[in-house]
Amino acid sequence: GQQLNQSPQSMFIQEGEDVSMNCTSSSIFNTWLWYKQDPGEGPVLLIALYKAGELTSNGRLTAQFGITRKDSFLNISASIPSDVGIYFCAGQNAGNMLTFGGGTRLMVKP
Amino acid sequence: GAVVSQHPSRVICKSGTSVKIECRSLDFQATTMFWYRQFPKQSLMLMATSNEGSKATYEQGVEKDKFLINHASLTLSTLTVTSAHPEDSSFYICSSSPSGNTGELFFGEGSRLTVL
Repeated sequence: GQQLNQSPQSMFIQEGEDVSMNCTSSSIFNTWLWYKQDPGEGPVLLIALYKAGELTSNGRLTAQFGITRKDSFLNISASIPSDVGIYFCAGQNAGNMLTFGGGTRLMVKP
Repeated sequence: GAVVSQHPSRVICKSGTSVKIECRSLDFQATTMFWYRQFPKQSLMLMATSNEGSKATYEQGVEKDKFLINHASLTLSTLTVTSAHPEDSSFYICSSSPSGNTGELFFGEGSRLTVL
């Protein structure tokens, strides 16, 4: 199926550093969602964005819904070891089906 | 958030046997559930949409006779991998939303199938 373009594919950072990842699409979406997946687990919802231009925070996480509705970014501030995992963006339209990005694998060095 | 639970979390079976995976919504009624498949180091790919009381809708390239989906109640959808083969080994994940066809999707824990 269709995938969003998510970058970077992987990141290896030092604990305490900020992280930024983004997703772009050739199609517009009504909703953008960001998930985190730990090994052997299902994805866990981090942030949901519903309006173009919307900027939403959840603790150390901040995400924005691009004004064109074709992109979104996720920032993680002051990373900690438990931030390790794979982060997926997902675009959603009517019918509730999600289109996923390829994922960003985050590794944090203590 | 809403709770979606899968069982079993891991299953190993012999080639040619059938395996059933259950997906339950624990604190809401799910008229629609989505089944995804994930290969190692890859993203989630939608397999089918399960609708309570009606036939599932399969994505292109997914064999409906291979992956049988039943959604007989508002809290349970099952995926049966029939006559499993090693290439069916994968991580299967279901998701649903308390809001039906809108709103945030919540995922189950996933079920890892290994076919020997």
